[in-house]
Amino acid sequence: SYVLTQPPSVSVAPGQTASITCGGTNIEDTSVHWYQQRPGQAPVLVVYDDSDRPSGIPERFSGSNSGNTATLTISRVAAGDEADYYCQVWDSTSDHPVFGGGTRLTVL
Amino acid sequence: QVHLVESGGGLSKPGGSLRLSCTASGFTFGDYYMSWFRQAPGKGLEWLSYISTTSSFTNYADSVKGRFTISRDNAKNLLYLQMDGLRVEDTSIYYCARARVGGSGSYIYWGQGTLVTVSS
Repeated sequence: SYVLTQPPSVSVAPGQTASITCGGTNIEDTSVHWYQQRPGQAPVLVVYDDSDRPSGIPERFSGSNSGNTATLTISRVAAGDEADYYCQVWDSTSDHPVFGGGTRLTVL
Repeated sequence: QVHLVESGGGLSKPGGSLRLSCTASGFTFGDYYMSWFRQAPGKGLEWLSYISTTSSFTNYADSVKGRFTISRDNAKNLLYLQMDGLRVEDTSIYYCARARVGGSGSYIYWGQGTLVTVSS
């Protein structure tokens, strides 16, 4: 099964920019999706197909995908952005979705 | 407005069974693949199973293959997960979810989850 690697934690000061990475072999060849999960809540899709945003997601959330690394970027970070973030791709070999281990974003 | 509501969670002894339900509303249920995911306490998201629009195709994670069965009733807008042979390690919050489009890719709608606890 395809393996996605995320850093366990990222910290950022309010108002700054947070970058959360998702590593995978030739990940640029597949679409990457990102979810935000606040404590006690269900996941929320914040970026799909590498860089598109669902309706209602602020423009502060953006994504990119190149080489072996996809990145979720959150600009002008606020306290409300503190959450776990998961990347996800579709593993075409096993024909099912695969998630990274998740990154805890802490707003200092 | 799309809503997914899971039910049926609870406490089971090891080796026991539970059936989860997911009630869908706000979209044409029969037009979409549906999936089950879970999240163990303090752990990440894990995909479990999906089912095609007409139930003709299903797929399961290795961790639940042979023990869990996904099914759906398009007339009632219901998705099910029959869980047999439960193990302590199946203790998790279970979510149903709908893909954004088609049968693969991203998942835009999630239920609030239902807690399953397996303990003697």
